[in-house]
Amino acid sequence: NAGVTQTPKFQVLKTGQSMTLQCAQDMNHEYMSWYRQDPGMGLRLIHYSVGAGITDQGEVPNGYNVSRSTTEDFPLRLLSAAPSQTSVYFCASIPILALNTGELFFGEGSRLTVL
Amino acid sequence: GQSLEQPSEVTAVEGAIVQINCTYQTSGFYGLSWYQQHDGGAPTFLSYNALDGLEETGRFSSFLSRSDSYGYLLLQELQMKDSASYFCAVRDGGGNTPLVFGKGTRLSVIA
Repeated sequence: NAGVTQTPKFQVLKTGQSMTLQCAQDMNHEYMSWYRQDPGMGLRLIHYSVGAGITDQGEVPNGYNVSRSTTEDFPLRLLSAAPSQTSVYFCASIPILALNTGELFFGEGSRLTVL
Repeated sequence: GQSLEQPSEVTAVEGAIVQINCTYQTSGFYGLSWYQQHDGGAPTFLSYNALDGLEETGRFSSFLSRSDSYGYLLLQELQMKDSASYFCAVRDGGGNTPLVFGKGTRLSVIA
């Protein structure tokens, strides 16, 4: 099993450009989520999904879109990148029935810089 | 909503014991989790407490007091490789409620 795979690992964008961060998991996890991590801010939830066709907003959703067309994939789209979106992005997943164990499986992260 | 408070930094000596505290304010409570993250790496799960008391896993233990809205992570026989950031996280609802993380405690282990 590859676990949770994020691509790209590094990306530099110019302000106003758009891009998609990819997240794929091969564990058949229903629940997937995106967090961003900034120095001193911990992990903040952007969007999450409890299954194909279902998404919901987290704490900091503005400037980001998501969709969940399959169980495996949960892409995060930046429509018009801003310097404030410079961050490290983590995708995480877990089976829905295991959500009450508090154990998320994280990808290795995608480091995004917006100039 | 929910909020979690943990110290931003802790320094401890190799071989010693260190405790990292976490206090939380939530409308509901469905367990306290702890994660470890080394610089440049991904968070990895350490422990989970749903009920009051101490859970031990090797050198690491985690404690929860629901009446005090308080928990801690205890690291024993500290090693240099334990230098990392440690995050507590909670869910304030059941069902599909997502996990919310604290801002993290950076632990530095010195010789």
